[in-house]
Amino acid sequence: GQSLEQPSEVTAVEGAIVQINCTYQTSGFYGLSWYQQHDGGAPTFLSYNALDGLEETGRFSSFLSRSDSYGYLLLQELQMKDSASYFCAVLGDYKLSFGAGTTVTVRA
Amino acid sequence: GAGVSQSPSNKVTEKGKDVELRCDPISGHTALYWYRQRLGQGLEFLIYFQGNSAPDKSGLPSDRFSAERTGESVSTLTIQRTQQEDSAVYLCASSSRQGNSPLHFGNGTRLTVT
Repeated sequence: GQSLEQPSEVTAVEGAIVQINCTYQTSGFYGLSWYQQHDGGAPTFLSYNALDGLEETGRFSSFLSRSDSYGYLLLQELQMKDSASYFCAVLGDYKLSFGAGTTVTVRA
Repeated sequence: GAGVSQSPSNKVTEKGKDVELRCDPISGHTALYWYRQRLGQGLEFLIYFQGNSAPDKSGLPSDRFSAERTGESVSTLTIQRTQQEDSAVYLCASSSRQGNSPLHFGNGTRLTVT
């Protein structure tokens, strides 16, 4: 099976940088994804890492180390609209399993 | 359609009744997933379809839960003899193929069992 761990919540001010760590255990690993979910909304895809290293998409970057079973999502130049829950998800055995989510609160 | 559509958006039912939740995936998407999300919690995997077959039913919580998919499109999730602990948002997602394709989620069905 799969298990993922990520912090439950993070608070930061506008303009700051936030790093959300995710460690995982899985039987069979194909990649690590990140999803964003605003209150009452549907999760939306942010990024996917299949190989080690950093993937950058605008203000958001995602990192993966397969040897450490570890990844992180980096949110830069935080904006109020970034207040949401962020989920890491592991693709293993063709099933996408999600962590419990990290609630990011951005304050002015 | 433009996105994944789920109906109803809200459902209130009495304990012991059966409910049927519907998901219309994005046209052409062969992979379809059902997840359950309780208030303030993560996404709990229920079942996965590749085409019309379900190679992984491991997440279904009990034999009261069943799902089917026909014509490689619409899927229904049925919960029989609902219990209060079934109250949650049920999310459907589809992707163009299994593997690393991003999942596109619907807005979910909020189920309340009284």
